[in-house]
Amino acid sequence: DTAVSQTPKYLVTQMGNDKSIKCEQNLGHDTMYWYKQDSKKFLKIMFSYNNKELIINETVPNRFSPKSPDKAHLNLHINSLELGDSAVYFCASSQGRAGQPQHFGDGTRLSIL
Amino acid sequence: GNSVTQMEGPVTLSEEAFLTINCTYTATGYPSLFWYVQYPGEGLQLLLKATKADDKGSNKGFEATYRKETTSFHLEKGSVQVSDSAVYFCALEQAGTALIFGKGTTLSVSS
Repeated sequence: DTAVSQTPKYLVTQMGNDKSIKCEQNLGHDTMYWYKQDSKKFLKIMFSYNNKELIINETVPNRFSPKSPDKAHLNLHINSLELGDSAVYFCASSQGRAGQPQHFGDGTRLSIL
Repeated sequence: GNSVTQMEGPVTLSEEAFLTINCTYTATGYPSLFWYVQYPGEGLQLLLKATKADDKGSNKGFEATYRKETTSFHLEKGSVQVSDSAVYFCALEQAGTALIFGKGTTLSVSS
């Protein structure tokens, strides 16, 4: 019954590796997002997709590549992981209209060794 | 550009104390305003929202009023409980785009 689910919950890996985080929502929303939360709890938008189309792409290194196979899924692939990528990554979804709240997953804690 | 400023924490209160967490924003036009709460190890949950000036959002005893004249959306609760201990985020959104968050305020309530 989870509305927005992300996998894995924890990801521990070595510098230089490539990893993916998956996100699925069952709310029927057409807009999905990836946010990054740093060690000081600050949250910043990375990407947003509407109906599988990229609409927001903040100044994120091109090692990060989002992919939306359909409206219910938004995955995040990260190449050549660096120490600074250690953070909690949150997926969210919404109806994409003004004033509509976003629903968040529980986050994926990425730790780079 | 758009931005949100909220009071620095941590805020430490005793149970049943009154809570205020200040939030001000900078935006062009008429953003929607939100308070989200994050409990340890969890994602963010919507606490309340307001979409136009003078709207009051409320939920679980928490309230916030959208004040356009002071560009503020302060969060208040009359009597906090230990279970309210969490990180609280003020956020704005315009035209259905991404949320812009404040830096978060950690609330710790002791019995």
